[in-house]
Amino acid sequence: AQSVTQLGSHVSVSEGALVLLRCNYSSSVPPYLFWYVQYPNQGLQLLLKYTSAATLVKGINGFEAEFKKSETSFHLTKPSAHMSDAAEYFCAVSLSGNQFYFGTGTSLTVIP
Amino acid sequence: NAGVTQTPKFQVLKTGQSMTLQCAQDMNHEYMSWYRQDPGMGLRLIHYSVGAGITDQGEVPNGYNVSRSTTEDFPLRLLSAAPSQTSVYFCASSRNYEQYFGPGTRLTVT
Repeated sequence: AQSVTQLGSHVSVSEGALVLLRCNYSSSVPPYLFWYVQYPNQGLQLLLKYTSAATLVKGINGFEAEFKKSETSFHLTKPSAHMSDAAEYFCAVSLSGNQFYFGTGTSLTVIP
Repeated sequence: NAGVTQTPKFQVLKTGQSMTLQCAQDMNHEYMSWYRQDPGMGLRLIHYSVGAGITDQGEVPNGYNVSRSTTEDFPLRLLSAAPSQTSVYFCASSRNYEQYFGPGTRLTVT
């Protein structure tokens, strides 16, 4: 079985501050891991993905995530938050490439 | 290249009515999926397809049917709508572990 857990359904940061969104996975074999962003009334957009190459993955809009097998984590970070980063963020896992399992999401608020 | 398209954008149904949510993609992707999104529950997989003629159930398949007669189209059918099916529905296609999502259909069942 595979699943992801996102810690914190709501995260608030000040503009310019570090963004840290947490994701832990559960999988019996090495998984592929993903972060998606959803802006209001839109579909999901892929931010980045881990596919067993480099453990530090860089994505769009300045986001990056590090795969840590020992901690079963794949946390999303951005050094400096921008107002445009306010959105819902979803972590997801897949083993087969045709079934993706999503976390419950983290809503990011950026305070000016 | 339109990507993944979904129709309609909004729909209101009465309990017991049937309808089909349409999904099409023009990227020649083999994999397609349907999800529902509910507050606090993330996205849950309803059904998926690994190619024309091949479909399988996801996490929450009850009350929904799918078919895949062509690579491009993957419709989702609600045979007898229930208030518990009020949700936002997303279709996605994927290749190389990258999913592309449609804009969603907001369905309300009264």
